[in-house]
Amino acid sequence: NAGVMQNPRHLVRRRGQEARLRCSPMKGHSHVYWYRQLPEEGLKFMVYLQKENIIDESGMPKERFSAEFPKEGPSILRIQQVVRGDSAAYFCASSPGTLETTIYFGEGSWLTVV
Amino acid sequence: KNEVEQSPQNLTAQEGEFITINCSYSVGISALHWLQQHPGGGIVSLFMLSSGKKKHGRLIATINIQEKHSSLHITASHPRDSAVYICAAVNYGGSQGNLIFGKGTKLSVKP
Repeated sequence: NAGVMQNPRHLVRRRGQEARLRCSPMKGHSHVYWYRQLPEEGLKFMVYLQKENIIDESGMPKERFSAEFPKEGPSILRIQQVVRGDSAAYFCASSPGTLETTIYFGEGSWLTVV
Repeated sequence: KNEVEQSPQNLTAQEGEFITINCSYSVGISALHWLQQHPGGGIVSLFMLSSGKKKHGRLIATINIQEKHSSLHITASHPRDSAVYICAAVNYGGSQGNLIFGKGTKLSVKP
């Protein structure tokens, strides 16, 4: 049973470009979470999705950031018109969805904006 | 003041020592996670607990809901335990993945 798969592991974008980060949850998991870790800072919650639904996006920046988890395929975190401050590690996690279960993390995607 | 506070921030130990990392929180929670972040950056979930105590190998996690405090203990520490340990709270009434993270405790175990 493969773990949570994230790609790309490392991504370099110039300011103004778009970044797309993909996350395939563990088999059987229908709940996906995205977190951001800025350099020298702690992890912060961004968004919680189920298939085709955004459940909680209270941690998402108001502009340029969006997330989806379509019926088929991976969850995607999209950052438009990237700025240097978006440089961070982005972690995806998944769970089966029942209350009080372990959350399984991916290896992370490191975005560098130059 | 952060809603989830960890101490110490940094910890150096000799191989074989018993280690304790503390986590205090100021919000009502439904559960608390202990995570391990490897030097390469990957994150592994160690424990999720809402009461009492859990044990896995050399790791023990406890939580005292009344005192709003949790501890992670490592017995017979080993250099491979060197990592950042993070506690993360699930805010009561919040969505299950909406975790409030501590800043982490960087543990270095010397041979």
